[in-house]
Amino acid sequence: GESVGLHLPTLSVQEGDNSIINCAYSNSASDYFIWYKQESGKGPQFIIDIRSNMDKRQGQRVTVLLNKTVKHLSLQIAATQPGDSAVYFCAENTGGFKTIFGAGTRLFVKA
Amino acid sequence: GAGVSQSPSNKVTEKGKDVELRCDPISGHTALYWYRQSLGQGLEFLIYFQGNSAPDKSGLPSDRFSAERTGGSVSTLTIQRTQQEDSAVYLCASSLGPGMQYEQYFGPGTRLTVT
Repeated sequence: GESVGLHLPTLSVQEGDNSIINCAYSNSASDYFIWYKQESGKGPQFIIDIRSNMDKRQGQRVTVLLNKTVKHLSLQIAATQPGDSAVYFCAENTGGFKTIFGAGTRLFVKA
Repeated sequence: GAGVSQSPSNKVTEKGKDVELRCDPISGHTALYWYRQSLGQGLEFLIYFQGNSAPDKSGLPSDRFSAERTGGSVSTLTIQRTQQEDSAVYLCASSLGPGMQYEQYFGPGTRLTVT
């Protein structure tokens, strides 16, 4: 498959290190946030979500942190693996069906 | 089980031609979304279908864009008189129901190139 974005911010990490991907969201009324992973040639895939009444949520090897004061969201990936190489999007929702997606960050994992 | 499928995977067309992009959602999913993804950009919402309700077309960029969903299942996105700025990946997603509590499952997308 082809790249979905050639001019995205890029994060390069060594295999086994932790990765932190950051996102600034736009709407202070947003109350639900999602991180998606998009591999080359595929559609985005849900990773983890968090509601605005929380500031941290953990999944398997992933943690999402939410700072509503500065409208900042981060995704932490522990012990990054080559299979984690992808474009990562944050998304926000104010309720209802419409989800607003960020531009994405490309993660490269060096073996 | 089968996920969301889209066809064609790639489409190259000449400026001014019409194109149709197809989406087959996951069986039983009542909500269907179309998004556009340009190079270096996030996903741009285009249109949303929920059950038999009138679709939300608020994201369609111009009247050259239209979409329909037949029988609450397959959806077609039509772009008339294509322009070079229409070149992008068009993604379809479906979910079990409306609203943010239902996870959206995405198809692989159709890459449209307008020459």
